[in-house]
Amino acid sequence: GAVVSQHPSWVICKSGTSVKIECRSLDFQATTMFWYRQFPKQSLMLMATSNEGSKATYEQGVEKDKFLINHASLTLSTLTVTSAHPEDSSFYICSARVPSGSGWYNEQFFGPGTRLTVL
Amino acid sequence: AQSVSQHNHHVILSEAASLELGCNYSYGGTVNLFWYVQYPGQHLQLLLKYFSGDPLVKGIKGFEAEFIKSKFSFNLRKPSVQWSDTAEYFCAVRSNDYKLSFGAGTTVTVRA
Repeated sequence: GAVVSQHPSWVICKSGTSVKIECRSLDFQATTMFWYRQFPKQSLMLMATSNEGSKATYEQGVEKDKFLINHASLTLSTLTVTSAHPEDSSFYICSARVPSGSGWYNEQFFGPGTRLTVL
Repeated sequence: AQSVSQHNHHVILSEAASLELGCNYSYGGTVNLFWYVQYPGQHLQLLLKYFSGDPLVKGIKGFEAEFIKSKFSFNLRKPSVQWSDTAEYFCAVRSNDYKLSFGAGTTVTVRA
C-alpha cells in the first residue's frame, strides 16, 4: 500500500501559540488529502478536505480561520492550529487519496496521527 | 448526509472465539463501505471494502464482512480471533465526493 507520514507525531504547546502539522504522501502524488480529528475513545471526525492548488473545504462547524490548511504541493498538506487553546488538544489524523493510474485508485491511506496537547 | 452506527463499544473475548461486529449505515447514494482497524499505537489500516458485486467480502487477516442492503448493514466477522486482533475497529461509509464517515468504533480485546 501507499505510505502517508505525519510530522510531528506529538507536540505540546502553550495556549495562544500556533502549531503546524505536516502530512506527506511518500510514494504517490495526492491531489486530495483529508484532515480528521479524533477525541479519546471516539471516532474520527472529518474536519476538512485539502485540494492541491485550491482552497480547502471545511466541514460544518469547523472554524476555517482557526484550522488553516495549505496543500501547496502534490505530496504535502499542512494543518496549522492557530491560537491554540486546551480544547484543541486532540489527535489529528490525515489521509491521502490515491489518484487514478494506480492499483490503489481512490483508496485513502492514513497517516499515523499527531497528538496535540495545549497547556 | 451519511452516518454510521456501530453497535458494540467494547467487546472482550477469548482466543479462538468467533467475532462479529455490527455496523449499520444510512446514505442515499451509491454505497462504498469499509472496515478499518487501528492497532495500539499504529495508524488506521484498511481491513476490507465493499463497492459492488458479491456482498460477502473477504479482507486481510481472515476477516470478512457481509453487505445486506435490505438491512443497511455491513457486519464484520472473524471465525477465530487471535490475541493480535486486539485493536479498535471502525466501520465507514464513503460518499460520492470521497469523504469518509466513521462509526464510533469498537474496541476489541482478545484474552490469551
